[in-house]
Amino acid sequence: AQSVTQPDIHITVSEGASLELRCNYSYGATPYLFWYVQSPGQGLQLLLKYFSGDTLVQGIKGFEAEFKRSQSSFNLRKPSVHWSDAAEYFCAVGRNRGSQGNLIFGKGTKLSVKP
Amino acid sequence: DGGITQSPKYLFRKEGQNVTLSCEQNLNHDAMYWYRQDPGQGLRLIYYSQIVNDFQKGDIAEGYSVSREKKESFPLTVTSAQKNPTAFYLCASSIKGGGGYGNEQFFGPGTRLTVL
Repeated sequence: AQSVTQPDIHITVSEGASLELRCNYSYGATPYLFWYVQSPGQGLQLLLKYFSGDTLVQGIKGFEAEFKRSQSSFNLRKPSVHWSDAAEYFCAVGRNRGSQGNLIFGKGTKLSVKP
Repeated sequence: DGGITQSPKYLFRKEGQNVTLSCEQNLNHDAMYWYRQDPGQGLRLIYYSQIVNDFQKGDIAEGYSVSREKKESFPLTVTSAQKNPTAFYLCASSIKGGGGYGNEQFFGPGTRLTVL
């Protein structure tokens, strides 16, 4: 069965520091991968997505993610974190075509930013 | 502006009552979804609909019901059979269903349901 694991429940970084949020997936074929961000009490916003091609994907708000098939990972990175990046981040993988629904989400990583 | 609206933003329910959460989209998307979000649990799929007049159970459909009479609307009813309904509910849509390429989901702002 497909699954998504975000090993870190909560991460705190200082403003201006670099950030890496981890995501590991379980999927037999080439996955469709997504990162979403959620501010408290709000819906989710798509940061970036990977379907095929270049394994380094650029997204909005200065985020990027790298697909590594050998490690079954799709980690999210940002070179310099801003206080406004404090939020919860969700990694998701597209379900098998023809299977129920559309995306399987990880349990999220909450990011706190220290001034 | 195109987007997804959910109402109400906050909803309070007494035990034993059914309540209906509204979800409307003007993105002309075929597929719509309902998720439940609990702290530390991520998003869990309740129901989804790939096309008008058709919907499928997700991972946690028990105690919930939906309808899809119009392309734009996908209301969720939380019934008295749902034992622990207090949660944050998110509606989403995508261009088409069936999984995979291009089908990123767009989310509404959510409804927080509290059972008193």
